[in-house]
Amino acid sequence: NAGVMQNPRHLVRRRGQEARLRCSPMKGHSHVYWYRQLPEEGLKFMVYLQKENIIDESGMPKERFSAEFPKEGPSILRIQQVVRGDSAAYFCASSRRTTYTGSSGNTIYFGEGSWLTVV
Amino acid sequence: EDQVTQSPEALRLQEGESSSLNCSYTVSGLRGLFWYRQDPGKGPEFLFTLYSAGEEKEKERLKATLTKKESFLHITAPKPEDSATYLCAVDPTPSGTYKYIFGTGTRLKVLA
Repeated sequence: NAGVMQNPRHLVRRRGQEARLRCSPMKGHSHVYWYRQLPEEGLKFMVYLQKENIIDESGMPKERFSAEFPKEGPSILRIQQVVRGDSAAYFCASSRRTTYTGSSGNTIYFGEGSWLTVV
Repeated sequence: EDQVTQSPEALRLQEGESSSLNCSYTVSGLRGLFWYRQDPGKGPEFLFTLYSAGEEKEKERLKATLTKKESFLHITAPKPEDSATYLCAVDPTPSGTYKYIFGTGTRLKVLA
């Protein structure tokens, strides 16, 4: 997990507030992914971004959720008007490339996660 | 529908008692199969990537193998520090966009 930095590690929000989760990819990685892990469920893909571009957001709820990866600074996952069902662990991951090369260069590496609790 | 199933859900072993974890998958096209280890309150830690049937990878007490329908993670003479949840994931995306499909994991507990 060394290298992918996420903050905050733990976040408590009241229903209706906004949550902002930040992620800095590993050095040399330009592809960022967000996954969500609900209690007793597997990790689920949410969104895939490159600098200034959302490549695939098919796993992200249509409302209240947004993600960005600006030219400068970390990637941000934003959840507006949080509800109790948003309580989960949100993991960011990064990779060097996505092209299939038969090597580990296209493996994704995860951060330590941000645990969101909505009260 | 693309799917990954891991078994058993939980496994308790005595220290030194070797065993195997199973990951079976049904996907339209496999671009890679990945094993991760996850400790409580932490993120998944990368272990292995396997790309084609017959491929094997080893790291310390762990050995991962891949067939056309499943992968096994063999743990030889485990130690208590091997206790963790082991996650299997597949990348079925031809374009390589990394929409990994994860199993729900096998919770391994190794007793001293």
